[in-house]
Amino acid sequence: NAGVTQTPKFRILKIGQSMTLQCTQDMNHNYMYWYRQDPGMGLKLIYYSVGAGITDKGEVPNGYNVSRSTTEDFPLRLELAAPSQTSVYFCASSQQGVAGNTIYFGEGSWLTVV
Amino acid sequence: AQSVTQLGSHVSVSEGALVLLRCNYSSSVPPYLFWYVQYPNQGLQLLLKYTTGATLVKGINGFEAEFKKSETSFHLTKPSAHMSDAAEYFCAVTYTGTASKLTFGTGTRLQVTL
Repeated sequence: NAGVTQTPKFRILKIGQSMTLQCTQDMNHNYMYWYRQDPGMGLKLIYYSVGAGITDKGEVPNGYNVSRSTTEDFPLRLELAAPSQTSVYFCASSQQGVAGNTIYFGEGSWLTVV
Repeated sequence: AQSVTQLGSHVSVSEGALVLLRCNYSSSVPPYLFWYVQYPNQGLQLLLKYTTGATLVKGINGFEAEFKKSETSFHLTKPSAHMSDAAEYFCAVTYTGTASKLTFGTGTRLQVTL
C-alpha cells in the first residue's frame, strides 16, 4: 500500500528560488493537509483541503500556496524561498466524516533554504 | 482555540522501566485525541487514538493511554520500556466540525538507557 507519497525527500534551495513539494494519496481521501515541523515546535498546519477545488489556510500559510485539482494530489508551492522556510514538511490525508478518523502522514520532505 | 500541552520535552527511562508521557488538552467540547510516534528521519505513525467509548485505549507496541475528562489529560504509558521505543512522541487533538485538522503538542523525545 502506497498511502501518502511525498517528493522530493530532500532538497536544498537558494534564497529566492521557488519549488513545489508533491503529494499524492491513493486512499481516495477527501481531506488533505500540509504541515511543517520545526524543532521544539511540534507540527503546524500550513494549508488544508476538504476536497478537489477547495483549499483553505491553516495556522502558518504565509509564503506558501496550494492547489487541489484532483482528489489524489495536493502540491505545496513555495514562492521566493526564505531561510525561515527551512523545515520538514509533511503531507497528510484523512477520510471525510467522523473527526476521529485516522490522519495518515507521508514520510516527510526535508527542505533547506540557504 | 484548541491546544495541547506536553510536559517534558525530553524523558529518559531505563530499559524495562515504566514509560509515562504526559499530555493535557484544552477544550470546551468533546475532543478526539491521538498519539503519534516519529522515529529519526521518518514520518509520523499512529500509536493510538481516543474517539468515543472506552476511556482506556490500547495501541501498538504495548502502549496505552487513558482519557480523563476531569483532568483534561491523555497520558501515554507503557509498562516496560524497550530500546526500540526511543523516538519522539506527539500528542494531538481535533474536534467535530474542524475538518479533522490536528493541533499538535510540541513533542516529547523519549530516551531509553541500558
